[in-house]
Formats: sequence, C-alpha cells, structure tokens
Amino acid sequence: DAMVIQNPRYQVTQFGKPVTLSCSQTLNHNVMYWYQQKSSQAPKLLFHYYDKDFNNEADTPDNFQSRRPNTSFCFLDIRSPGLGDAAMYLCATSRGTGGRYNEQFFGPGTRLTVL
Amino acid sequence: AQKVTQAQTEISVVEKEDVTLDCVYETRDTTYYLFWYKQPPSGELVFLIRRNSFDEQNEISGRYSWNFQKSTSSFNFTITASQVVDSAVYFCALTRQTGANNLFFGTGTRLTVIP
Repeated sequence: DAMVIQNPRYQVTQFGKPVTLSCSQTLNHNVMYWYQQKSSQAPKLLFHYYDKDFNNEADTPDNFQSRRPNTSFCFLDIRSPGLGDAAMYLCATSRGTGGRYNEQFFGPGTRLTVL
Repeated sequence: AQKVTQAQTEISVVEKEDVTLDCVYETRDTTYYLFWYKQPPSGELVFLIRRNSFDEQNEISGRYSWNFQKSTSSFNFTITASQVVDSAVYFCALTRQTGANNLFFGTGTRLTVIP
C-alpha cells in the first residue's frame, strides 16, 4: 500500500544534541510537509517542499532545518533541541498545492522527547 | 486571514449515541476547501473528508455524515451510533484554493465513547 512512513516513531535526545527525523513516501507526491504538534494542540506547519523548492513558514525557528534529497525522502533536522521542542512531528504529503490536489496524507508521526 | 474554530474541547458519549462535532470557519476567499481529520491515540492523522466551497451537498459515509452550510460558515460532523473505536481527537481544517497549501487547523475536539 502507498503510504507515508516516519522513522523513528519515538526519539529521545538530550538538550542541545542535534537530532534528525526521517520521512519517506511511496505515493510519489510532489509536496512534503513537516508539522509540529504539541500536546493538546493543533498541528503547526513548519515548512514544506514542492519538489526541490523549500518554503519556510515565517515563524519557524532557525533551529529547524529540512532536507529533501529526492522525491521520496524528507528530513527534519533540529540543530539544538530545547525542552520546548518536545512534541509530535508529523510528516505529510500531497500531490500538489491548491485545487483538487491539495489533500494531505499524514504519516504516523515521531514523538520527540528532550531530556 | 483564515481561522477555524472548534468550540467543543471534549465530548463524552455513551456507545450507540449520536454525536455532532461543530466546526466554524472564517475566510475571505470565495474558493476554499474544508477537511475533517481523525487522530486516534496512535497519533496518525487520518483523512475523513474534503469539501470544496462550491459544493454544499451534505455527504454521508456509513455512520459518518457532514453538514456544510456556507450561510453560517459551518462544517459540522455527525457520527451516528457511536462506537468505542470512534474515540479520538477530530480536527477540522481549511485550505485555500491557490498558493501555499497550509492547512489551517482548528484546535480539535476530543471525543470519548464510553462502552
């Protein structure tokens, strides 16, 4: 089945220690998104890639970076995690943006704990 | 600006009862899309429905139904004969027709179905 896969499902890191979260997709979608979801809150978009074009949300901290080496994979790098970065990180994909292709498919998420 | 309001933070119902989750949205766009997603305890956001702003027909899918009313800017979701497996957080979301594909989420409604 075509799907969005996130690894690992649970990640524990230490304060200030860089961490990378991984997302892959078999849907061959053009757009990949990263969301941050803190406890009891709605998901918040951090950035997205349309093919190789990177689109950062205005309020995304510089501490968060992303890479998309190919269509299938997208990575979220947190350079110096703080306690406030503990959250669920959701990856999503869509065929396009706007119009009929804007349906987003989500992965299972990676729950990040910062000690 | 786009905004989605889910006034019900938590709802509890007894199994087999019907339950309606409210969603009210704000947008100046004439064309937009509305979504409902389900987030079970596992964390993955599961797509339930997408509705184009020009399509005001109500939709039924099994025990699920949706009532879209542009006049009141509402897109309510009803679960008939609720089951324990329906327990989850439900998010209503809005996206624009063109441009950035940001999903504007409501704050979610936590539904608990009691056996």
